[in-house]
Amino acid sequence: QKEVEQDPGPLSVPEGAIVSLNCTYSNSAFQYFMWYRQYSRKGPELLMYTYSSGNKEDGRFTAQVDKSSKYISLFIRDSQPSDSATYLCAMSPPYSGGGADGLTFGKGTHLIIQP
Amino acid sequence: DTGVSQNPRHKITKRGQNVTFRCDPISEHNRLYWYRQTLGQGPEFLTYFQNEAQLEKSRLLSDRFSAERPKGSFSTLEIQRTEQGDSAMYLCASSFGNPNEQFFGPGTRLTVL
Repeated sequence: QKEVEQDPGPLSVPEGAIVSLNCTYSNSAFQYFMWYRQYSRKGPELLMYTYSSGNKEDGRFTAQVDKSSKYISLFIRDSQPSDSATYLCAMSPPYSGGGADGLTFGKGTHLIIQP
Repeated sequence: DTGVSQNPRHKITKRGQNVTFRCDPISEHNRLYWYRQTLGQGPEFLTYFQNEAQLEKSRLLSDRFSAERPKGSFSTLEIQRTEQGDSAMYLCASSFGNPNEQFFGPGTRLTVL
C-alpha cells in the first residue's frame, strides 16, 4: 500500500458543478497537507496549505482535513473550464529542522470541466 | 519573472551520456528541492538543500545522480551514464520560512533514447 492514495480519474464534470477531490493516507506522522494544480507539461502550482483538521477556504477552493480518518479533500465551487488540470495532494510530517523535508505526493487526479 | 526557473526545458540524450540540469530558485529562498515525476505519477522527492548544504537524499537518488548548490543560490543536478529509466520530468522547488510551502519550477523533461 502506498503512503498516499489518490484516484487518478479522469473525473469529468459539467461547468458550474461542485468538484470533490480526495486523498487518503496511511502515515499518521503526516501533519501538513497541500493541494497542487498541475497543467499539462507544467510544474505544480501550490493552491492550498492546511495543518489542522477542519476546513480552510480560499475563493472557490475549500480544503478539508480529517486526521482521524486520514482523509483529505479539495472542493472546487462553480467549476470553470480553466480548472481542467491534474490536482495533486501532498503531505509532510512536522519540520524536523534539517531532516527529510520532501513532500509525499499522491498520483494526481485528472479533472476535466466540460463547457 | 521571479518564480523558480529551470534549464533546459527539454533534453534528449542517448543512453550512456551524461546530462546536467540547472535550477534557479526564487530569490532569498534558502531551501531547494529536486523531485522526479514520471507519466501518471506524482512528483517523487530526490534531494534537498538548505543553503549550500545537502541535508537529505532519497533512496531514489542512485550513485549516478549528483546534485550541488555551491553558493547557496542556483543548483545543478547531474545524471551520469543515463539509462532509459531515467526518462522523466525533473522538477525543482524552493521555499523560505515554511518548508511545506514549496514553489515549483516548470521542470526539465528528459528523454533517454
